[in-house]
Amino acid sequence: EVQLVESGGGLVTPGGSLRLSCAASGFTFSTTMSWVRQAPGKGLEWVSSISGRSTYIYYADSVKGRFTISRDNAKSSLYLQMNRLRVEDTAVYYCAREGSGEFFDYWGQGTLVTVSS
Amino acid sequence: DIQLTQSPSTLSASVRDRVTITCRASQNINSWLAWYQQRPGKAPNLLIYKASSLESGVPSRFSGSGSGTEFTLTISSLQPDDFATYYCQQYISYPWTFGHGTKVDIK
Repeated sequence: EVQLVESGGGLVTPGGSLRLSCAASGFTFSTTMSWVRQAPGKGLEWVSSISGRSTYIYYADSVKGRFTISRDNAKSSLYLQMNRLRVEDTAVYYCAREGSGEFFDYWGQGTLVTVSS
Repeated sequence: DIQLTQSPSTLSASVRDRVTITCRASQNINSWLAWYQQRPGKAPNLLIYKASSLESGVPSRFSGSGSGTEFTLTISSLQPDDFATYYCQQYISYPWTFGHGTKVDIK
């Protein structure tokens, strides 16, 4: 059974940093992985994607230069380092797998990041 | 960036109703479109990919159609579990983008 479990969310002040993790199990961790976020009461926003060998990395303009996606295939883990956080980064952050195509076939349960003074 | 416009934003319907949601893309995306269902407090769940392919395990009352810039998600007979928010997503080019969602609630 495919499982994605996020951790690392919490309350942080504007300008601060946070590192999210996603532990994957139940499949060969060699597929492209992504982070998608959802602000409270709002829709879904793609944040970043990383290919299986970390060769290709993409970011939304809203986070480029502040967030860094990475992965450790030996640990079947995905990460999102978030620096210079802003109030508007407040959201539930989901880890998602891109399966046979560039759509998201499995999602984690999400971790809440709150940026507030 | 490719914009996706969903309509309606809210839809009130009854159990056993036939429901159709539309997603329009700002440029040609061929068939590179997916649909997701999200229940309150839960992660999204993939329903349809490549515009019309039903994801394994998804009930057959869900169907998708369209290509180019116009797409539809149809629920042939609405069930109590289907009251949720639905999103379309394009994956022809980065940045991946989602529609703003269509909330299906009880009439």
